Amino acid sequence: DAKTTQPPSMDCAEGRAANLPCNHSTISGNEYVYWYRQIHSQGPQYIIHGLKNNETNEMASLIITEDRKSSTLILPHATLRDTAVYYCIVRVQTSYDKVIFGPGTSLSVIP
Amino acid sequence: NAGVTQTPKFQVLKTGQSMTLQCAQDMNHEYMSWYRQDPGMGLRLIHYSVGAGITDQGEVPNGYNVSRSTTEDFPLRLLSAAPSQTSVYFCASTSRDEPNTGELFFGEGSRLTVL
Repeated sequence: DAKTTQPPSMDCAEGRAANLPCNHSTISGNEYVYWYRQIHSQGPQYIIHGLKNNETNEMASLIITEDRKSSTLILPHATLRDTAVYYCIVRVQTSYDKVIFGPGTSLSVIP
Repeated sequence: NAGVTQTPKFQVLKTGQSMTLQCAQDMNHEYMSWYRQDPGMGLRLIHYSVGAGITDQGEVPNGYNVSRSTTEDFPLRLLSAAPSQTSVYFCASTSRDEPNTGELFFGEGSRLTVL
């Protein structure tokens, strides 16, 4: 089973920040949080990952709570092209354990 | 780098036919995996491999066979296709060795319809 829970769907107004939550209450100390997105029926695309510090790249920011039991992916200025399914998974970066995806959050960016 | 390449992109089969979905990567990744995605659903892991000669089952392995004779290739075989195997199939790969950071690289998908 997936180790994360996410809301099934969210809406966001275009130009506003999209905040996508993820709960991973059973995360282990050496597990990273990874985020991917899947636009329409394309192959999923890696967005960002982190261990315990907040991370930012050109696509998004990742905020991980101090107890690491939850995180939030932030798209600072959502555009229509950000409409997609977003998946949050946890895994050990250097492990080759099987990678299980949950159902993700379907984000709709509304004009 | 071409990344992860899947062929064919589209395929229609009749029930009982066999076929192989091809997956190749040119990034020297040890880990390769196959997922299926049904309409409106998330990704479900079929089989995965952590290196040449090593394969293991995922969440939904029944009806599918895999082998890994080289680092680059990880074909998925349907021995006797069933309508329940109508789906979009994604291949993914990764490496734990630096400079990689463990993220999965996905192919564009293979859309299979079984009549």
